[in-house]
Amino acid sequence: QQPVQSPQAVILREGEDAVINCSSSKALYSVHWYRQKHGEAPVFLMILLKGGEQKGHDKISASFNEKKQQSSLYLTASQLSYSGTYFCGTETSGTYKYIFGTGTRLKVLA
Amino acid sequence: GAGVSQSPSNKVTEKGKDVELRCDPISGHTALYWYRQSLGQGLEFLIYFQGNSAPDKSGLPSDRFSAERTGGSVSTLTIQRTQQEDSAVYLCASSLGSNTGELFFGEGSRLTVL
Repeated sequence: QQPVQSPQAVILREGEDAVINCSSSKALYSVHWYRQKHGEAPVFLMILLKGGEQKGHDKISASFNEKKQQSSLYLTASQLSYSGTYFCGTETSGTYKYIFGTGTRLKVLA
Repeated sequence: GAGVSQSPSNKVTEKGKDVELRCDPISGHTALYWYRQSLGQGLEFLIYFQGNSAPDKSGLPSDRFSAERTGGSVSTLTIQRTQQEDSAVYLCASSLGSNTGELFFGEGSRLTVL
């Protein structure tokens, strides 16, 4: 039931781009994306609702394909501050219950 | 306070003892969530509340785990007869409970069972 994220880990140089995928075996109602830095609480990045929308702010954007039950997070021109573990949180039935994915560890090097 | 507050921040206990973890959500947030995060692992769903009721308790690992929420505010997660495998960080989050409501996480309670 837990969404599967890929890749599990990625290392980038500053300025490079990355894509993190989140795939569910169940129909999705909404998807959240969070970033967690080591020893800290997860911090909200964005939410995508059923309807296949794409959102973004600054150099981080995301898409949601409800037919494929997938969401992707796009990080462009990565910065050192992007390092951390990224989690997708999926809601399957409009109940506001969020199940988080397996996580993707991202490290940006200078 | 402005954010989600959890206490204690750290708890070391002996196997077999009971522990209580407290979460004080952001004022006005109707939804409250408990997750467990083992070292280097993801966020495991335990339970969530809408107001004082818990529509879904399916994530509680065993009957040693229970949670309650009173007055639509503070929540307590209780673990009875703790086992070593209960060692983890227990994270609480709250939200407005709408379909656009982001989850605000507390700093967590780190539980170590010896």
